[in-house]
Amino acid sequence: AQSVSQHNHHVILSEAASLELGCNYSYGGTVNLFWYVQYPGQHLQLLLKYFSGDPLVKGIKGFEAEFIKSKFSFNLRKPSVQWSDTAEYFCAVKSPGGWGNTGKLIFGQGTTLQVKP
Amino acid sequence: GAVVSQHPSRVICKSGTSVKIECRSLDFQATTMFWYRQFPKQSLMLMATSNEGSKATYEQGVEKDKFLINHASLTLSTLTVTSAHPEDSSFYICSARYGGEQYFGPGTRLTVT
Repeated sequence: AQSVSQHNHHVILSEAASLELGCNYSYGGTVNLFWYVQYPGQHLQLLLKYFSGDPLVKGIKGFEAEFIKSKFSFNLRKPSVQWSDTAEYFCAVKSPGGWGNTGKLIFGQGTTLQVKP
Repeated sequence: GAVVSQHPSRVICKSGTSVKIECRSLDFQATTMFWYRQFPKQSLMLMATSNEGSKATYEQGVEKDKFLINHASLTLSTLTVTSAHPEDSSFYICSARYGGEQYFGPGTRLTVT
């Protein structure tokens, strides 16, 4: 079965520190990859996505992610975090045209990021 | 654009009663909507895929007779939790597919007492 694994469950950083959150998926076919963020008390928002082309994608708020096909990975990075980045981060995978062609997303377990001021 | 709303935002009900949650796409039409369940500090678990004008597709392990989904129009899908029990208490989130992406609603906190 398809799955998404996020290795870091809870990350604590100080402001200005660099961030990297790991995401691996298990599916051999073509995938679309996403990172979502959920700020406290708010709904899920899309940070960035990868469909095709340049494997290094840039998203909102200074976030970027790199798709490494050989490693089935899509890690999220930010060079310098801010207190306002404190949130829950979810990696998700979609199979275009696959999995019943419903476009459904499979989510990772989520990573709680706490940034200390 | 691409705003999804849910109503109610939170609801408390007694064990054995049914609760209906609405999911609306406000500024676009969505032939496909999704219903998720999120437990505290955990990920979103897809419950079912709702297709306008047809039956919903449920994920393995989700009781379709307990979680009734109706997608009667291109802007509205409803999830009814029938004969709710305390273990159904959770955060329910819907999303609507538009332009190759999913847009999420703010969620509904259900508490069954």
